[in-house]
Parts: sequence; C-alpha cells; structure tokens
Amino acid sequence: GDSVTQMEGPVTLSEEAFLTINCTYTATGYPSLFWYVQYPGEGLQLLLKATKADDKGSNKGFEATYRKETTSFHLEKGSVQVSDSAVYFCALSDLVEDTGNQFYFGTGTSLTVIP
Amino acid sequence: SAVISQKPSRDICQRGTSLTIQCQVDSQVTMMFWYRQQPGQSLTLIATANQGSEATYESGFVIDKFPISRPNLTFSTLTVSNMSPEDSSIYLCSVDVAGVGGQFFGPGTRLTVL
Repeated sequence: GDSVTQMEGPVTLSEEAFLTINCTYTATGYPSLFWYVQYPGEGLQLLLKATKADDKGSNKGFEATYRKETTSFHLEKGSVQVSDSAVYFCALSDLVEDTGNQFYFGTGTSLTVIP
Repeated sequence: SAVISQKPSRDICQRGTSLTIQCQVDSQVTMMFWYRQQPGQSLTLIATANQGSEATYESGFVIDKFPISRPNLTFSTLTVSNMSPEDSSIYLCSVDVAGVGGQFFGPGTRLTVL
C-alpha cells in the first residue's frame, strides 16, 4: 500500500542555516505530494504541494520538488528563521478505487530554530 | 481554500463520559474527514464522512466508539464515546476542496481524559 517515510527529528538549527527534511514515498498510482506545517498549539496548514513529476512547490521560502525517479519530495529552505519552528508533515494523496482520494501522512519532523 | 472551525477547541473530560466535537466549513464540500493525532505522533484517519450516507471507518475505529453525523454539506460532528485516558488526543477535521488539491484542516480539538 501507499506510505510516506519522513526524516526523523527533532532537528535543531541556528537561524539562517539551510534546512532539508527528507521525505520519500511509496504509491501504486500517480499521487500528489504535500508538505504541511503545524505550529505549536495550532492545526495543520498546507505549506506547499506538487501534483506531478518534476513539479516544484514553493511557499514562504520553502521548496520541494516532486522526483518520481527517486520517489522523493524533500523540503528545503535556504535560510531558516525562529518563526519556522514547527512540526512538518510530508503527505501524499492517491486515488483509491471506490474510496476516492486517500491521504497518507509521514510521522512528522520537529524543527527548532535557535537565534 | 476553505475556512474550518471546530468546537470546542479543548476540553478535559472524565472517564466514561462522551464528548461531541463540531466541525463547520465556510463552503459546501462533499467529503469531510476526521483524524486523531496522539501526543507526539502523526495523523491517523478515523473516518470519512459524506453527506447523506454513513461514514466510512478505517481499520481500528468503529461507529459505536466514534459516531459521526453529517447532516449537510458544511457541517459534521464526531462523538468520542465512553472515553478513557487513551482517547486523549487532538481531533482534527479536514475537507477536500475539489479542484484545489490538498486537504484543509480545522484548528483541532485538544481532548484530555482523566
């Protein structure tokens, strides 16, 4: 079945450091890929998405490229800020017969950025 | 996108009681989803709720424990019945907006069972 494997955390970085959070997936069809962010005490927010191979999703300085050949969707940011401290979830959406779009979430990666 | 609200935002409940969580969306959506996020863990789908039909539950979740209502295209409720401390979690509803891609989540309901 479909699944998402995400880099384990927690990750601690200094402000302005480069961020990479790895995400790989397994899917039977042609999934869409997402990154969600959960700030402390809040619900999940959609950060970015990519719907087909080689698409690049970007938002708030974060980027991720849909790599079909490596089944990956790694999240990157060139210079993190303290306000980026949150938990990041990689997810995929795949069309399942008789059910519709099913979402699969990774386990989440906690990021702490220190000044 | 869609704006989703949940009530209550948090609650502390006694063992054996039940709590009903409400989810309101600012637009009509076909599919609504209920998730559970246990402390420090990822999201687990409880059930999918379509308007006008019974909810579809994932493995490990049953209607007697988590009854769901979906009376119209903008509203749903999830009840956590006969609660135990193991039910302490954040419960989130989400919607799948056609043509947009991705699910949009409510702010969550943080439940603590004593």
